[in-house]
Amino acid sequence: GNSVTQMEGPVTLSEEAFLTINCTYTATGYPSLFWYVQYPGEGLQLLLKATKADDKGSNKGFEATYRKETTSFHLEKGSVQVSDSAVYFCALSGRTGKLIFGQGTTLQVKP
Amino acid sequence: DAGVIQSPRHEVTEMGQEVTLRCKPISGHNSLFWYRQTMMRGLELLIYFNNNVPIDDSGMPEDRFSAKMPNASFSTLKIQPSEPRDSAVYFCASSLDGSGGAGEQFFGPGTRLTVL
Repeated sequence: GNSVTQMEGPVTLSEEAFLTINCTYTATGYPSLFWYVQYPGEGLQLLLKATKADDKGSNKGFEATYRKETTSFHLEKGSVQVSDSAVYFCALSGRTGKLIFGQGTTLQVKP
Repeated sequence: DAGVIQSPRHEVTEMGQEVTLRCKPISGHNSLFWYRQTMMRGLELLIYFNNNVPIDDSGMPEDRFSAKMPNASFSTLKIQPSEPRDSAVYFCASSLDGSGGAGEQFFGPGTRLTVL
């Protein structure tokens, strides 16, 4: 079945450091891929998405490229800020309408 | 738009009591999802509806949990009787699905449930 695997956290970085959070997936067909972010005390919100192979999603300085050959959708940001501290979830869509979420990766950015 | 609205935001109850969580999806959305989030188990999909019809309830933990969607603008998740292990944050999300798969899901702020 479909599944998503994320790197385990927590990830702790200093402000302005480079961020990579790895995400790989297993799926039949051609799912859409998503990154959601959850700030403390809030629900999840969409950060970026990509709907087909080689698409790059981007938002707020974050980027991720849909790599079909490596079944990956790694999240990157060139210079993180304290305000980026949150939990990040990778997800894929299934034909049935559900999203399959990874386990989440906690990012902590220190000043 | 007000976004997905959930009530109550916090609920503290005693073991054995009935708990009802409420959700109002974004107007015009045709899919609604109930999730549970805990430190131990992460984010779990409990049930989802499409056009008010339950499509997949395989994530509902046991018979103590039930969900309804009587119309396009309202859904409830009920736990009866509640147990301490039901303590979690419960999220409702909605989306507008075209053909071919899942659209972006919009999450509510969640209900933090504590069962003593």
